[in-house]
Amino acid sequence: QSVLTQPPSASGTPGQRVTISCSGSSSDIGSNAVIWYQQLPGTAPKLLIYSNNQRPSGVPDRFSGSKSGTSASLAISGLQAEDEADYYCAAWDDSLNGFYVFGTGTKVTVL
Amino acid sequence: EVQLVESGGGLVKPGGSLRLSCAASGFTFSTYSMTWVRQAPGKGLEWVSSITSTSAYIYYAASMKGRFTISRDNAKNSLFLQMNSLRAEDTAVYYCARVLGGTVLGSYYYYMDVWGKGTAVTVSS
Repeated sequence: QSVLTQPPSASGTPGQRVTISCSGSSSDIGSNAVIWYQQLPGTAPKLLIYSNNQRPSGVPDRFSGSKSGTSASLAISGLQAEDEADYYCAAWDDSLNGFYVFGTGTKVTVL
Repeated sequence: EVQLVESGGGLVKPGGSLRLSCAASGFTFSTYSMTWVRQAPGKGLEWVSSITSTSAYIYYAASMKGRFTISRDNAKNSLFLQMNSLRAEDTAVYYCARVLGGTVLGSYYYYMDVWGKGTAVTVSS
């Protein structure tokens, strides 16, 4: 089962903008919507972005998602201390052996 | 309040079996697809299995197929994961989650909008 590739870490100071990339293939990101989940330390994942760029109710608008071809990005603008967490992208995979694939995860540290 | 509560985790020997349960409340369980996702200690998220609302379609990750069985009881608002032939690498926290999925302009969206807190499974002798 393939996975989506993310940088292992990203960091920024409070108020800065941080961007996380997610690289996939034509059978996953290239064909289907990208999802982003946030996992705060010691807690279950939480839906952050769905359908490439849609925010569920309650998610601050400083979180934004985008997609181009077989890659996607999550941007956090106005970084806050409570944003320190692990972030995972995900997508449905149309390939023979795939169904749903997660990214490798990115740890965001607020300096 | 929409809630998912997993149970059934624990310590099991290699080759053993375990049945996980997930109790749903606060929403019409029978109308949603459901899924299991796991996370090994210090590792990322891994999709395990999904089941549609009427159990008509069931999907498994390649490494779990043949060993794990997902099922549901809509009358009891419950999701299950039967895990057999367990290996050390199955050690993880197992989360159940509610699924939303569909097609928009030819692109398929599939995501988990509600998650339980997870139940820990340890496979060790």
